[in-house]
Amino acid sequence: AQKITQTQPGMFVQEKEAVTLDCTYDTSDPSYGLFWYKQPSSGEMIFLIYQGSYDQQNATEGRYSLNFQKARKSANLVISASQLGDSAMYFCAMREGAHRNSGGSNYKLTFGKGTLLTVNP
Amino acid sequence: DVKVTQSSRYLVKRTGEKVFLECVQDMDHENMFWYRQDPGLGLRLIYFSYDVKMKEKGDIPEGYSVSREKKERFSLILESASTNQTSMYLCASSKATPKPGAAGYTEAFFGQGTRLTVV
Repeated sequence: AQKITQTQPGMFVQEKEAVTLDCTYDTSDPSYGLFWYKQPSSGEMIFLIYQGSYDQQNATEGRYSLNFQKARKSANLVISASQLGDSAMYFCAMREGAHRNSGGSNYKLTFGKGTLLTVNP
Repeated sequence: DVKVTQSSRYLVKRTGEKVFLECVQDMDHENMFWYRQDPGLGLRLIYFSYDVKMKEKGDIPEGYSVSREKKERFSLILESASTNQTSMYLCASSKATPKPGAAGYTEAFFGQGTRLTVV
């Protein structure tokens, strides 16, 4: 079964408008983290935002915010005031794993299939 | 700046060859990952490692093996390359996660990718 589901293969948005990219996840681990990455056409992977399973508030980073609904297991990315440079592939990812020692833990980081966002002028 | 370096940007190999993809990180990260990226399939985890000589299978380990003899280096090995292993391969690394309840997080940093073509 898919651990991370991104149901929108492609999205279009007008410049300066807000857009929401969907992400749902599946885990039985009480301690997990959710990430969003951006991959422009150049191919690099750029970290955008993080939400921990114990975080009480939704994460925000500049124009990026995460709409975290724990009971629904969703972690949608909201981009406000879209810019042409936001056109890229966006990936949702989940970290899950056990804490094994005082130095930290190993964990598995799995990604969704991605959403290709196109910002129109 | 964190740096994750993959040894080759582009690679062309013949069917049946043994292929080594190398990844080196310079930030003393405990966790390292190998993914392959294919259109419409996103990033799929092949193997990951959380310590020297430690490895765990990801979602698609078949046809691959890995080696982590030193903390900074994580190698992906295609024992006998096949055409269905033609893909973009991405390496990533990350510090160990904070314990539950501790502040902070550790994002993964990625290499530039290796586009492997098996002919």
